[in-house]
Amino acid sequence: HVHLEQSGAEVNKPGASVTVSCRVSGDSLTQVSMHWLRQRPGKGLEWLGGFHPDDDDRIYAQDFQGRVSMTDDTVTDTAYMELSSLKSEDTAIYYCATEAVGFDHWGQGTLVTVSS
Amino acid sequence: SYVLTQPPSVSVAPGETARITCGGDNIGDKSVQWYQQKPGQAPVLVIYYNYDRPSGIPERFSGSNSGNTATLTITGVDAGDEADYYCQVWETPNHHRVFGGGTRLTAL
Repeated sequence: HVHLEQSGAEVNKPGASVTVSCRVSGDSLTQVSMHWLRQRPGKGLEWLGGFHPDDDDRIYAQDFQGRVSMTDDTVTDTAYMELSSLKSEDTAIYYCATEAVGFDHWGQGTLVTVSS
Repeated sequence: SYVLTQPPSVSVAPGETARITCGGDNIGDKSVQWYQQKPGQAPVLVIYYNYDRPSGIPERFSGSNSGNTATLTITGVDAGDEADYYCQVWETPNHHRVFGGGTRLTAL
C-alpha cells in the first residue's frame, strides 16, 4: 500500500521560493505517477502538474508554467515541488498525490504561508 | 480551458439520496473521477472512470456520465457523508487535470 509523507509547514516571504518534499513508501517513486495539487484557504482543489505517462514527461498547469518545478530523488524515493516568486495568493495547503485510475493516494498536505 | 461546473451545496435529509452534478461541454466523452474531502483531511477518491469504485468505498456511492452532465449519487446519506465533493477530468488535448469547484453535501 502506497504511503506519502510530506514535509512540514513553511512560512515564506513574498518573492521567495519554497520547496515541499513528498517521500514515497510501499512502492518505488519510479513506479508511480506523482502529481502536485493545492488548496487555498476555503477554496477548491487546483492541479499544479505532474508526470504524464503518455508523454513520459511532466506537464504543468498553465497558471504555474515557469514558476513551478518538480523533481525526483529516486535514491530516497522522494519527490520535490519548488514554487518560486511567491505571492500572498500562494498561501495554501500543498498536496502530493499519485495517479493511477485517479488521484488514489494523497500525502497529508503541507501548509505554505506567504507573508511579509 | 475546460470548465467543470458544480452546485456549491446540496442538502438532503438523512437516509435520502443525494445527487451531485458536474457539468462540462460533452463531459460524457471524458472519464470523470469524484473525490470526497472532509474538513482537515486530504481528499479521497470515491469514483473513477465515471462509475467504478475503489476498494473500500461503499456501494452507496455510484456515478454516471452522459451528455453534458456527470452525476455522483449517494444513497442512504448519513452524517458521515457530509463533506465537500469534487469532480475531475483530463482536459484534451493537453492532458491537464481539471477540477470542478466543489459541492458541499449537508445531511439536514
